[in-house]
Amino acid sequence: AQSVTQLGSHVSVSEGALVLLRCNYSSSVPPYLFWYVQYPNQGLQLLLKYTSAATLVKGINGFEAEFKKSETSFHLTKPSAHMSDAAEYFCAVRGNFNKFYFGSGTKLNVKP
Amino acid sequence: NAGVTQTPKFQVLKTGQSMTLQCAQDMNHEYMSWYRQDPGMGLRLIHYSVGAGITDQGEVPNGYNVSRSTTEDFPLRLLSAAPSQTSVYFCASSRNGQGNTEAFFGQGTRLTVV
Repeated sequence: AQSVTQLGSHVSVSEGALVLLRCNYSSSVPPYLFWYVQYPNQGLQLLLKYTSAATLVKGINGFEAEFKKSETSFHLTKPSAHMSDAAEYFCAVRGNFNKFYFGSGTKLNVKP
Repeated sequence: NAGVTQTPKFQVLKTGQSMTLQCAQDMNHEYMSWYRQDPGMGLRLIHYSVGAGITDQGEVPNGYNVSRSTTEDFPLRLLSAAPSQTSVYFCASSRNGQGNTEAFFGQGTRLTVV
């Protein structure tokens, strides 16, 4: 069975500070991993996805994630937070038949 | 390019009523699925389809029904609404599952059952 766990349901950072959102996966096969962002009252938008071509994946809006097989992790980072980054972030793993399994989400608050 | 379109955006139902949530995609994707989003629980899979005429249950299928007569449409039916079905519902589509294909999501339907 495949699953992901997101540590921290709420993360608060100051504008300009580093953003670190944690995701650990469980998978018996090489995983297909994704990060999505959800702004209030909107659908989910893809931030980035793991391609297996590189362990460091760059996404939109300055976000990136690093795949670490030894730690079964796929943490999301951004060097400098912006007010517009305030949203909820979901880590997901894709299983067979394109079934996606999501973490419980992390709400990011950015303080001025 | 419309992508994935869901209607309605908001709905209030009384307990016991039935309704259909509509979902349409214009990307010719083979795979479509329905998720519900509840606070602190992420998104959970209700039903999915791998092509026209083929559907299967996901993690939380009870109380919901689906069919897929065309590639484009994948409606979700609530047979007899219950307060526990108050949630935000998302439809998603994706192309054939090769490599790291991602899911594309609609804007969601916020359903309240009173």
